Amino acid sequence: SQQGEEDPQALSIQEGENATMNCSYKTSINNLQWYRQNSGRGLVHLILIRSNEREKHSGRLRVTLDTSKKSSSLLITASRAADTASYFCATDKNAGNMLTFGGGTRLMVKP
Amino acid sequence: DGGITQSPKYLFRKEGQNVTLSCEQNLNHDAMYWYRQDPGQGLRLIYYSQIVNDFQKGDIAEGYSVSREKKESFPLTVTSAQKNPTAFYLCASSTSDKTGRYTFGSGTRLTVV
Repeated sequence: SQQGEEDPQALSIQEGENATMNCSYKTSINNLQWYRQNSGRGLVHLILIRSNEREKHSGRLRVTLDTSKKSSSLLITASRAADTASYFCATDKNAGNMLTFGGGTRLMVKP
Repeated sequence: DGGITQSPKYLFRKEGQNVTLSCEQNLNHDAMYWYRQDPGQGLRLIYYSQIVNDFQKGDIAEGYSVSREKKESFPLTVTSAQKNPTAFYLCASSTSDKTGRYTFGSGTRLTVV
């Protein structure tokens, strides 16, 4: 079963717009991570937010975490065509460091 | 440069054959993982290993087998018992601490012909 579920499943925006993706999960976590996957490639780690953090920034990425709602959001500001990819959230469980991945959000940024 | 290498990139299997996917890492990571990804879907855990000579089944282990004889290597065998093996297979590794940040290989696409 999937711990994290992303929303929306697909998102299409124009270059320069902001893209927001959401992730919900079911059980308590140590941290939540976001990964990016270009078509036919492996996943690349983007950002990790710990359970005691509420917001984190990395370049054009902003991640929020609301543990009371068991949800997280990934915001990509000033999107570029090169941001076109699938984005996955992943959560660990308190018992260990294995990650469970959601189904992903497919982002298309049109030039 | 440190990294994780999967080979081959593409693999074709006849029905009834076993095939082995290679995964090698030089990151000195203790833990290694195999995931399966179907088109447009997320990742499902097949097997994982947190230390040499030990491995555990994930959510969809049936029809697969692994070994972990060396820290650097975690090969996955897709056996003839796996009825629907066509998929994209991803190997990952991580340190044994609780950050759980994974490094992924570039994947192997397996097709049954």
